[in-house]
Amino acid sequence: AQSVTQLDSHVSVSEGTPVLLRCNYSSSYSPSLFWYVQHPNKGLQLLLKYTSAATLVKGINGFEAEFKKSETSFHLTKPSAHMSDAAEYFCVVSDTGGFKTIFGAGTRLFVKA
Amino acid sequence: SQTIHQWPATLVQPVGSPLSLECTVEGTSNPNLYWYRQAAGRGLQLLFYSVGIGQISSEVPQNLSASRPQDRQFILSSKKLLLSDSGFYLCAWSIESGSTDTQYFGPGTRLTVL
Repeated sequence: AQSVTQLDSHVSVSEGTPVLLRCNYSSSYSPSLFWYVQHPNKGLQLLLKYTSAATLVKGINGFEAEFKKSETSFHLTKPSAHMSDAAEYFCVVSDTGGFKTIFGAGTRLFVKA
Repeated sequence: SQTIHQWPATLVQPVGSPLSLECTVEGTSNPNLYWYRQAAGRGLQLLFYSVGIGQISSEVPQNLSASRPQDRQFILSSKKLLLSDSGFYLCAWSIESGSTDTQYFGPGTRLTVL
């Protein structure tokens, strides 16, 4: 069975400081892992995905995530937060075909000026 | 390029009234289609997915139903809405490509049941 846990429901950072959003997963298969971002009252936008290629995945808007199999983690990072990064972020695990797609509960990122 | 549309963007309906939300995809053929619900302060819950016309799979029991009358059209319906049906409904599409099946989301419909 698959599951995904986002360890923080809220994260608050100051503009220009690093961002770390934590995600742990469990999967019986070799999973595909994703991070999505959702701005208020908007759909979800794909930030990046891991699909068993390079363990360090670079996404849009300066975000990246590292797949660590030994820790079953896929944490999302960004070196320097921008005000426009304030949004909700979802970690997602999926098996082949995407029909068993599990979303984390989400982490709301606040960015202070 | 592919685009996905949902309408209406917002909807306020009384309890017991019917519901029809529509989702269409452009720029791709035979996509996999999904309906999700996002309740306030919660993650996404997969409601239905479809691998082809007339092929619908339901993930959770509820008073909602889905139909796929055309290849790129996915409709979410209810005969009688409940208060608990309020939420943000998202449609998504994907094209299966080995193990890299990425889902792309529409802008969503905000449903409020009063």
